[in-house]
Amino acid sequence: QVQLVESGGGVVQPERSLRLSCGASGFTFSSYAMHWVRQPPGKGLEWVAIISYDGRNEYYADSVKGRFSISRDNSKNTLFLQMSSLRVEDTAVYYCTRDRTVGTTRLDYWGQGTLVTVSS
Amino acid sequence: QSMVTQPPSVSAAPGQKVTISCSGSSSNLGNNDVSWYQHLPGAAPKLLIYENDKRPAGIPDRFSGSKSGTSATLDITGLQTGDEADYYCGTWDSSLSAGLFGGGTKLTVL
Repeated sequence: QVQLVESGGGVVQPERSLRLSCGASGFTFSSYAMHWVRQPPGKGLEWVAIISYDGRNEYYADSVKGRFSISRDNSKNTLFLQMSSLRVEDTAVYYCTRDRTVGTTRLDYWGQGTLVTVSS
Repeated sequence: QSMVTQPPSVSAAPGQKVTISCSGSSSNLGNNDVSWYQHLPGAAPKLLIYENDKRPAGIPDRFSGSKSGTSATLDITGLQTGDEADYYCGTWDSSLSAGLFGGGTKLTVL
């Protein structure tokens, strides 16, 4: 069965960096685009970034552009989100989720999420 | 602030029908498909509808979706208390080259 498991969350000070990982299993990881979506406490879902199946194309929300970087290792079935210059407003549960391709939003499987808390 | 708009809340009695709307613009809903998600507290979001009106395997036909122009709707019939959740529409914005979610709608089953 399809599984997505996020890791790497925790408490980090403002302006520091953190890298999230998402391990995938149960499907051909290299055939799917992958997204990161977050939910700040008490707020709605916010799309963060997407990477194409082959890693050649990446797109970002304006709120994280220039600070976050999405990447993937298809040989290890793993998705990453490198977060730099973190802000208090980046505090959220971060989910990884898969899609058929870039330019659609058919997010059919989601991980359970990992909590990132940015606080001094 | 989301560029795709949903009502903050809707409510209805068990067994009744509720409609949740999602309004966007030509660069997102007007030219791209919409999907709908159910999000229960403490759980991962669940895909209910994709490509405007298609249901994934295992989603009951009480959930249905439609899209016309720059607006979309999610209908839920035969409401159950277990349907109480937050519901989000999602789409792609071709001008921004970015994904978008609506602000979410909290469904209360009275």
